[in-house]
Amino acid sequence: GAGVSQSPSNKVTEKGKDVELRCDPISGHTALYWYRQSLGQGLEFLIYFQGNSAPDKSGLPSDRFSAERTGGSVSTLTIQRTQQEDSAVYLCASRSGGAAGELFFGEGSRLTVL
Amino acid sequence: RKEVEQDPGPFNVPEGATVAFNCTYSNSASQSFFWYRQDCRKEPKLLMSVYSSGNEDGRFTAQLNRASQYISLLIRDSKLSDSATYLCVVNSGGSNYKLTFGKGTLLTVNP
Repeated sequence: GAGVSQSPSNKVTEKGKDVELRCDPISGHTALYWYRQSLGQGLEFLIYFQGNSAPDKSGLPSDRFSAERTGGSVSTLTIQRTQQEDSAVYLCASRSGGAAGELFFGEGSRLTVL
Repeated sequence: RKEVEQDPGPFNVPEGATVAFNCTYSNSASQSFFWYRQDCRKEPKLLMSVYSSGNEDGRFTAQLNRASQYISLLIRDSKLSDSATYLCVVNSGGSNYKLTFGKGTLLTVNP
């Protein structure tokens, strides 16, 4: 499709399990972002990738969180040993061009940790 | 001081009202400013960028005051369809690609 695609749309897991969330950005977009949004809260920056530059990981809340972007396209956010406080909607966004470009978001992956 | 702070809201206004949202940012080196809109249980979407000289798009007007590190969004003649959360977004400085979102202000326009 033409937009940002995320999968799974919903994930329920047990505390302590690992999860992987996938993002397929808009073709040709060089920048890719991950945010998370807890119920009733704002968007919390996690990480962004820009071309071949080193990613900005400054928003990752702990070393249980990691992300990769392979071949400058698809990205995977991995959460190890999930905790209940990790429950949130994880939003991926991509954009082209410079710092003033529009962010296009996917519909998000809703993670519930029991 | 938080990187981006917005009016906590919520705002409840009648149709046709004018409503203003305010936002302050902490990094004086920030160069890019936006307002995004998020409908309930949906992803955010760009409403408008904010330019130094101020800009208008129909019923929406955005202003930037660099000296006060302040951004505003004015909605005139509000419609029921304007009901949403409005998010102030700022980049982290210069051409830095990191974008920080405010917590958002919920607007409900009532018939």
